[in-house]
Order: sequence, then C-alpha cells, then structure tokens
Amino acid sequence: DGGITQSPKYLFRKEGQNVTLSCEQNLNHDAMYWYRQDPGQGLRLIYYSQIVNDFQKGDIAEGYSVSREKKESFPLTVTSAQKNPTAFYLCASRNPGHLNSEAFFGQGTRLTVV
Amino acid sequence: KQEVTQIPAALSVPEGENLVLNCSFTDSAIYNLQWFRQDPGKGLTSLLLIQSSQREQTSGRLNASLDKSSGRSTLYIAASQPGDSATYLCAVPNAGNNRKLIWGLGTSLAVNP
Repeated sequence: DGGITQSPKYLFRKEGQNVTLSCEQNLNHDAMYWYRQDPGQGLRLIYYSQIVNDFQKGDIAEGYSVSREKKESFPLTVTSAQKNPTAFYLCASRNPGHLNSEAFFGQGTRLTVV
Repeated sequence: KQEVTQIPAALSVPEGENLVLNCSFTDSAIYNLQWFRQDPGKGLTSLLLIQSSQREQTSGRLNASLDKSSGRSTLYIAASQPGDSATYLCAVPNAGNNRKLIWGLGTSLAVNP
C-alpha cells in the first residue's frame, strides 16, 4: 500500500544527545515536510523539501537539521541545540505542482527528553 | 499573508446530530482546501480535498463546501457518531507558490453517546 512511514513511534533522548527521526514515502511525491505539534498548539513547520538535495527552513528550524538524498526519504535530526525537543513530530508529503495536491501524513513520532 | 481560522475551537454534541465545522481563510487565491482528522496521539488523516474550481466534495457522511469569494469552507457531518470524536483541521496551500500549507488550529469534536 502507498503511504508514509515514520519511525520510531516513540523515542527517548538524553540531554545533549542528537537523535534522528525517519520518514519514508512511496507515493512518488516531490515535496516532504516536517511539523512539530505541542499540546494545545497548531502544527508548526520545521523544514520542507521540494526536490531531492534541496530543502528550506520553516518557521521553527533552529536546533533541527534535515537531508533529502533520496526522493523517498526525508530524515529529521533533533540536535542538542534544540532546547525543548519534547513534542509530537509529524512528516507529510504532497505534489505541490498539482491542483489536486493532497497531503498525506505519517503516524508521528513522540519524542521525549529524559 | 494567508491566515486560516477555525470556529468553534471545541464542540460537544449528542450522538445523531448533524453538525457543521467552519474554516475561514483571508486570501481567496487558493489552489485547494483540505480537511483532515486527527485522533489523539495519531497522525493526520486526509478526509476531503476541494479544488479551487469545485463547490463541494462528499465522502460518506461528510460533505465539504468551498466559497472562495467569502473565504469560507464548511465541513458538514451527518448523523454524528461517537467514532467521529476527533480534532478536525483545515489547510490551504500558501498563495502564490503552493509550496507550504497554512493551517487552522482545529476544532475538537466530542460526540456523546
């Protein structure tokens, strides 16, 4: 089945540690996105990528990094510079060049600092 | 700058009621509008996408309408069920380049048995 797979579902990070969240899609979508969701707040865009080997900062990129070496994959690294990383992270993909540019989401990764 | 507003923020209804969720946007130059559902601790599930040239879309008990001139979309849920309880979000691509999605804060719906 086509879709987006995020892993792991739960992730625990120690202070000062970098962790990487995985996002893979088999929808042949050009664009991929990472969002952060905190309780009671809306979705906030961290990074997005329109094409392989290119990505742009979103609204809250500080303390995060990404890569887009393959069309199917858009991993997010939460670095030690991110002071408050505990949140729910969501990955999405779509084809923005189409009028029917429906977005699809993975099931999310819950990151907790311990 | 495109802004998306969803009203009400929360809604509680008895089972069986028909209900309407609202989504407003400030810039009518949109490519489309998409409605999503999110269950607690889960990702977003796409419900309906309405293209800019369409007036409405239907899927089962869900009907979404779009009025670009007034900057509004409504999601109509017929004969609500407890399983409809979730947060409903709407999003539009940002005007001009369609690269990013602009999100509302969502409506939290509780359908009581």
